[in-house]
Amino acid sequence: EDQVTQSPEALRLQEGESSSLNCSYTVSGLRGLFWYRQDPGKGPEFLFTLYSAGEEKEKERLKATLTKKESFLHITAPKPEDSATYLCAVQPQGGSEKLVFGKGTKLTVNP
Amino acid sequence: GAVVSQHPSWVICKSGTSVKIECRSLDFQATTMFWYRQFPKQSLMLMATSNEGSKATYEQGVEKDKFLINHASLTLSTLTVTSAHPEDSSFYICSAPRALSSRAFFGQGTRLTVV
Repeated sequence: EDQVTQSPEALRLQEGESSSLNCSYTVSGLRGLFWYRQDPGKGPEFLFTLYSAGEEKEKERLKATLTKKESFLHITAPKPEDSATYLCAVQPQGGSEKLVFGKGTKLTVNP
Repeated sequence: GAVVSQHPSWVICKSGTSVKIECRSLDFQATTMFWYRQFPKQSLMLMATSNEGSKATYEQGVEKDKFLINHASLTLSTLTVTSAHPEDSSFYICSAPRALSSRAFFGQGTRLTVV
């Protein structure tokens, strides 16, 4: 069964304090791994797609990396506006576009 | 701007009534759309895959007679929660993959509260 586990469930950081979020996955063939940001009461907002081990993508203070078993979302010098829930999802191979999500990591950045 | 629009953003209904949620792709055609449900502090759980012009595909454990899905056009899918009960209260989100894009676009979500 395809499964995604994210850790920690919640993370509190001071502004400027860098950290990483983890996404471990088991999937019967990986088509893609996705990171989304979700604000309270909103739908997920796309951040990155990673396709193969060793791949890295960067956007502003965020950098996503991928290995064969997990992905990390690194946050460098976060700001309060980075506070949100970060969701990881995998798209298994097989033709369907559906995603399997983790429970997310709720990030709070204090000023 | 938003490329997938979901309506309404929130709805409160009485137990036993039905509620319809719309999901529209704004600037592309979507032959497939997905409906997810999200409970507090839980992940998005896929409920069903909506297919334009054919029957929806439901995930295991999702009652197809309770959650009616219609995908009558290439830009619109609807989810109707029939005979809603308080346990159906949740956050419902739709998504649509766009051709030649590496990602799915999500709607804003609908907060359903059944009283």
